[in-house]
Formats: sequence, structure tokens, C-alpha cells
Amino acid sequence: ILNVEQSPQSLHVQEGDSTNFTCSFPSSNFYALHWYRWETAKSPEALFVMTLNGDEKKKGRISATLNTKEGYSYLYIKGSQPEDSATYLCAFGSINNDMRFGAGTRLTVKP
Amino acid sequence: ETGVTQSPTHLIKTRGQQVTLRCSSQSGHNTVSWYQQALGQGPQFIFQYYREEENGRGNFPPRFSGLQFPNYSSELNVNALELDDSALYLCASTHWRINSPLHFGAGTRLSVL
Repeated sequence: ILNVEQSPQSLHVQEGDSTNFTCSFPSSNFYALHWYRWETAKSPEALFVMTLNGDEKKKGRISATLNTKEGYSYLYIKGSQPEDSATYLCAFGSINNDMRFGAGTRLTVKP
Repeated sequence: ETGVTQSPTHLIKTRGQQVTLRCSSQSGHNTVSWYQQALGQGPQFIFQYYREEENGRGNFPPRFSGLQFPNYSSELNVNALELDDSALYLCASTHWRINSPLHFGAGTRLSVL
């Protein structure tokens, strides 16, 4: 994989459902993996920055895992709420000082 | 703590013109990067500046250039504008540490007619 790929492209869930997204990235030249939440009409907001294989991060109901050897990261949201509706972006930071973003997963949580 | 601010918020130019977009970094941040986001895509990395030097560049032609100033504010210049340059341009600042997140501005929406 040369680019960053995110799946699914979009997701519609009911309030209270748990959900997860996938980010696939190059397994070479790895420096860091970032997750951002981007709400409509706002700026992207950082959720997590992970640097070590096996890293797990948690912030409230949101958590993320990292596998640098196989080049993937998962983002989990437990008990989705309408305010979780946003586009979730992952970004691969390489040792060459560039940052490659995926196209994002657009999450809609229905009350 | 002052966040990242970008100006202008919207801009309309015609093909062939030149444009300068501005970004004021968050206080304490010494690294700034610029991204182009076209409809339906993720942000595409243009370049990064650290202590006034470009130290990373994406797959963009030389007509995309930048500057970072001693106060860590930054400019993105685009010459000979093309229709495909129409996009949202995001600036992000950070401190040069491996686990530092990016702090984004609200973006400048550029339309090229």
C-alpha cells in the first residue's frame, strides 16, 4: 500500500451502537499515525497520535489501536452519540517529513 | 493560548493569477504544514516548514511555494492558478516532537474561475 486507505467511506448507525473504522497505511518508513475528527464547518481536531507498534489509546468512548508491521489502525467508538457525527480522518506520518491523509470515514449517528 | 488562524476565509481568482494565503501558528509551535483538500478527498500534503526552512514536500509542482517567518506565521503562494487549484487550503501547526498532533486552522476556500 502506497497511500492511506480508510474504510468504510461512510457509516450510518443508531444512537447507542458501537462502531469501528479501519485505516490502512504503508508499512515502511513509518513515523506516526494520527486520527482526527472533522465536524462540518469546523477545523479537524486531533484525537490520537500513535507511534509504537501495539499502541492503544483511549479518550472517553473512543479508542484506537495500531499495527505498524501490517500497516493498519482501528478506531472504535463505543455507544455512539449524535454528537459523534463527523468525518474521521487518519494520517500517516513518514520519516520523510510528509503526512498522508486518507479520504476519511463519514459517520452519521441517528437519534 | 491562541489557535491557528487563516486568512482570508474565501477567495475568488481567475486562471493564471497568483494568490497568497496566510496562516498564523498557534503559540509555541515551530512547525507549519499546508494541505489542499478537494471535494471528496482527504487533505493532500503540500509542504512543511520548520524554523523557516522547507523540510518536507508532497507531490505538488514548484508553482506552489511557501514561507515561514521568524514569528512562525506562514504563507502559501500559488502562481499561474489553474482551475484544478480550486479547493480548501488548510494550515496546521505543531511543535516538532514525534507525538505532537497537528492543530488546524479553519481553512481558506479558493475558487479559480
